[in-house]
Amino acid sequence: AQSVTQPDIHITVSEGASLELRCNYSYGATPYLFWYVQSPGQGLQLLLKYFSGDTLVQGIKGFEAEFKRSQSSFNLRKPSVHWSDAAEYFCAINFGNEKLTFGTGTRLTIIP
Amino acid sequence: GAGVSQTPSNKVTEKGKYVELRCDPISGHTALYWYRQSLGQGPEFLIYFQGTGAADDSGLPNDRFFAVRPEGSVSTLKIQRTERGDSAMYLCASSPAGGLGEQFFGPGTRLTVL
Repeated sequence: AQSVTQPDIHITVSEGASLELRCNYSYGATPYLFWYVQSPGQGLQLLLKYFSGDTLVQGIKGFEAEFKRSQSSFNLRKPSVHWSDAAEYFCAINFGNEKLTFGTGTRLTIIP
Repeated sequence: GAGVSQTPSNKVTEKGKYVELRCDPISGHTALYWYRQSLGQGPEFLIYFQGTGAADDSGLPNDRFFAVRPEGSVSTLKIQRTERGDSAMYLCASSPAGGLGEQFFGPGTRLTVL
């Protein structure tokens, strides 16, 4: 069955610390992978995407993600978080049929 | 330019009533998507339009839900005989041509069924 999993419901990090949000998927081929961020009252905003090629992709706001086929993972990283990064983060996958399948999200809290 | 807009931003209704939720996509985008996001969950796909036609409506939960896009631009999601379980955030997204193109999301309509 095709699925996407975000194991961490809530993560708290200190401002300036590094961040890694996990995303795993189940699929028989390489899917098309996305990370979105959702702030209160805002629509979902695309941070980055992976279709093919270099497995380390750079996105907006200083985020990057690495596709690891052997681990069926697409983890999101940022070397140094800012208070404005507090939001809900969603991993999403297109299994080749137009629609996005989203994980349940990870809520990021930043402490001073 | 203007992004995807959705109206109303909030809708409170009573069980059994009919509601319409509107989505204005980015001008020129041929693909339009509706998703539903329940509290604490990720968005779930409802329906996808390419132009005026519904290319994939496999996510509509039952026949109380219906969506139209008569002129290939604005779309309306219609829910008949609303139930408390329909309470959720309804998100609309548009894309220049569908496929693997980026989907641009609107701010959503929060529907509450009392």
